[in-house]
Amino acid sequence: GAGVSQSPSNKVTEKGKDVELRCDPISGHTALYWYRQRLGQGLEFLIYFQGNSAPDKSGLPSDRFSAERTGESVSTLTIQRTQQEDSAVYLCASSLGGARRANYGYTFGSGTRLTVV
Amino acid sequence: AQSVTQPDIHITVSEGASLELRCNYSYGATPYLFWYVQSPGQGLQLLLKYFSGDTLVQGIKGFEAEFKRSQSSFNLRKPSVHWSDAAEYFCAVGANSGNTPLVFGKGTRLSVIA
Repeated sequence: GAGVSQSPSNKVTEKGKDVELRCDPISGHTALYWYRQRLGQGLEFLIYFQGNSAPDKSGLPSDRFSAERTGESVSTLTIQRTQQEDSAVYLCASSLGGARRANYGYTFGSGTRLTVV
Repeated sequence: AQSVTQPDIHITVSEGASLELRCNYSYGATPYLFWYVQSPGQGLQLLLKYFSGDTLVQGIKGFEAEFKRSQSSFNLRKPSVHWSDAAEYFCAVGANSGNTPLVFGKGTRLSVIA
C-alpha cells in the first residue's frame, strides 16, 4: 500500500488477556521496526526485522512480548498476559533497508493505542 | 550505543515568534541525525535529516537544523512559528553503519499561543 498500515487503531483489553497487533509495511520495504510510546514518553525500541536475517529482539521488555514477520510483509506483535504497564501506543515503521542511509528512511504507521484495564 | 537528550519537555511560543528546540546526542562517531514531528493522533513525520556534508540542513514546513559536532547538538529552528506547528517533536540518532534502529529522545511538546 501507499503507507504503513496498523490495526487495530485502538484496543482495550482486560489484564491477563493476550493481544495481537498487526503491521502492514510499505511494499518493497525490507526493514520493519516496532516501537512503544508510553504516555508522555519517547519512543522505546522493541524489535527490528531486516529481510531474512534473524530479528534484533534486544528491546523486548519481557518474554511476554514476541513478534513475527512473514517474509518481507506483514508483522504481528503479540503481548501475552497483558499488564497495565503495557498500556501504550505501539508504532510500526518500515524502510527500504539495505544501504546505510536507505535503512533510516523510516515511514511510520499511525499506531495502535493499547489500553489494559 | 547512541543516546539522545531533549532537555525541554514543553515549550510555549507565540505565533510568529522564532523557535529553537534543543537536541544533544551521544555517539562515538559521526551520527546520522533526524527530527520527526508527531501531531495529535498522527504517526511520526520526518522533518529533516543529517547524514554528512553541510551542517545546516533544511527540512519541510520551513524548519532547519544545525549539526554542531563540538557541542554534540542538532538543534531544530524555525524563524516564524505558525499555530499549526503545535505538536510533539522528536530528535533521533542512528549509527552510521545503518544497521541498528534509531534511538529517539523523549520529545518536546510545542504549544503555540496567539
